[in-house]
Amino acid sequence: GNSVTQMEGPVTLSEEAFLTINCTYTATGYPSLFWYVQYPGEGLQLLLKATKADDKGSNKGFEATYRKETTSFHLEKGSVQVSDSAVYFCAPSNYGGATNKLIFGTGTLLAVQP
Amino acid sequence: GAGVSQSPRYKVAKRGQDVALRCDPISGHVSLFWYQQALGQGPEFLTYFQNEAQLDKSGLPSDRFFAERPEGSVSTLKIQRTQQEDSAVYLCASSLDRRATDYSPLHFGNGTRLTVT
Repeated sequence: GNSVTQMEGPVTLSEEAFLTINCTYTATGYPSLFWYVQYPGEGLQLLLKATKADDKGSNKGFEATYRKETTSFHLEKGSVQVSDSAVYFCAPSNYGGATNKLIFGTGTLLAVQP
Repeated sequence: GAGVSQSPRYKVAKRGQDVALRCDPISGHVSLFWYQQALGQGPEFLTYFQNEAQLDKSGLPSDRFFAERPEGSVSTLKIQRTQQEDSAVYLCASSLDRRATDYSPLHFGNGTRLTVT
């Protein structure tokens, strides 16, 4: 099955700093790739996705590009805000029979300081 | 409701007790997933329903874990004879499409935090 390795946290940044959270995956075939975010006290929610090679997903100033050659899907943001403080999960999809489930990384805690 | 609702929010059980965790998905959502999230870890897949059919239960860690969705809406995850290693947050997620994730995002509930003492 598919697996994912995600940058360990916590990542602590000052407001307006540049953010990169690394994510690499192993997969058979060509999975879709997702970033989910969990804000304090809330459930996980979809941040962005890319469904094929070289696609770029983007949302709320975050971007990630599907790199098939390096099996990576790194999350970036040019200028983080305090409100971006959350746990970020990289998740490739994994086809298996009738199920298309997500395989989650361990999560990266981002703390943005004013 | 507007989102996925899980109850109870917190559950404390003594070792050996049975527990039942409830998930109310978004109305009309075909796909329903259960995940287990241990402290400091990412969610791990437990089981998947498409309407009332349980199509994948490969992630259930033992035969003490049982899930059902009899009418294709509300789902219950039951854990029998709980053990300390069952302590985790149990997440439920639903999706509109039967081909969940690629074509429609997963909507997660806030989870049930189970503590086994």
